[in-house]
Amino acid sequence: GEDVEQSLFLSVREGDSSVINCTYTDSSSTYLYWYKQEPGAGLQLLTYIFSNMDMKQDQRLTVLLNKKDKHLSLRIADTQTGDSAIYFCAEPNSGGSNYKLTFGKGTLLTVNP
Amino acid sequence: NAGVTQTPKFQVLKTGQSMTLQCAQDMNHEYMSWYRQDPGMGLRLIHYSVGAGITDQGEVPNGYNVSRSTTEDFPLRLLSAAPSQTSVYFCASSYGAGGETQYFGPGTRLLVL
Repeated sequence: GEDVEQSLFLSVREGDSSVINCTYTDSSSTYLYWYKQEPGAGLQLLTYIFSNMDMKQDQRLTVLLNKKDKHLSLRIADTQTGDSAIYFCAEPNSGGSNYKLTFGKGTLLTVNP
Repeated sequence: NAGVTQTPKFQVLKTGQSMTLQCAQDMNHEYMSWYRQDPGMGLRLIHYSVGAGITDQGEVPNGYNVSRSTTEDFPLRLLSAAPSQTSVYFCASSYGAGGETQYFGPGTRLLVL
């Protein structure tokens, strides 16, 4: 079955870049997702990348995809205290279905002033 | 639009009791899913639905039932609550099955004593 692995913790200083890494297992995944969860809240889709792309940039967010190594990363430029949250990497259970996702355990990002 | 709403926000049950977690969306989304979130485990898929009258099991369906009589509502029933079902439950919905945004509700925190 699918398995998604992430490091559990990341601590950065305000203004630095944050890089959160993820490995996945299903090479047939057509989309890969990054979600953000703030304390006490539900999940918010941050961005997603289609499997035929190597990189996607959206304002301060950059997603890099290495299909050969099944490695996905999320870079947050100029990290702010408001970026402190848990970040989840997710892949579809089968193909591109975004309603059946396998999530990583989440990376807790702490931004220090 | 209210988006995805969940009730109750918090519930305490005794072992063996039954209850229904409510989920509703007003975005006319066909796809809906239930996840549970446990510390250190990420989110795991319980059940999902691809449209009214159609449901299927996810990764951890045991002890839960669902039905989808309308597009808007997707209730999750706990048949006989167990302490292992103590968790935070999230409902999610999306319009399409691909990269379209999956919207999450705010969650229901359940404690089973």
